[in-house]
Amino acid sequence: GENVEQHPSTLSVQEGDSAVIKCTYSDSASNYFPWYKQELGKGPQLIIDIRSNVGEKKDQRIAVTLNKTAKHFSLHITETQPEDSAVYFCAAPSPPDKLIFGTGTRLQVFP
Amino acid sequence: GAVVSQHPSWVICKSGTSVKIECRSLDFQATTMFWYRQFPKQSLMLMATSNEGSKATYEQGVEKDKFLINHASLTLSTLTVTSAHPEDSSFYICSAEDDGAYEQYFGPGTRLTVT
Repeated sequence: GENVEQHPSTLSVQEGDSAVIKCTYSDSASNYFPWYKQELGKGPQLIIDIRSNVGEKKDQRIAVTLNKTAKHFSLHITETQPEDSAVYFCAAPSPPDKLIFGTGTRLQVFP
Repeated sequence: GAVVSQHPSWVICKSGTSVKIECRSLDFQATTMFWYRQFPKQSLMLMATSNEGSKATYEQGVEKDKFLINHASLTLSTLTVTSAHPEDSSFYICSAEDDGAYEQYFGPGTRLTVT
């Protein structure tokens, strides 16, 4: 089955700096990679996803890159703001319909 | 779009009682819904996959007689924690799958405390 590893577990950055979170997966057939943001006491929110037919996808300050050969994908947040502080989870599919989640990255953005 | 609601947002119950949590997809129909459990500072642990009109599929180690799941319509799934005990206290989150394969949208979660 699919195995997802996520690094780092915690990340502290200064406001305005960039943040990068990386995940690796094991199943070369996987073709969908979402990123979720979870604020304290709330459910995860889908912030961006990528399918394996593209290598990069951007949405304003966030982007996801995918390297199928190396089996890893990354979340990039530019110009970080205090409201970006949250726990971020990556995920990869486990057929027929499940998602396997990474262990999470706690991002703290200091003003 | 793709909004999922949960009710209640928090509940406190006494040991031995049962609690029902509702999960609704508000603006789309969800053939498949999922129930997760999350402990503090941990990742999401899938408990079961719920398909409309059929029995839920439980993950290994999850007691199906304790966590009853019903997916009666394309917009509603319920999780009933039966004979709750303090160790069942946790954050329960549902998700619903929209059109895209594997694309899951999560509810806001339900904080269950069993005293």
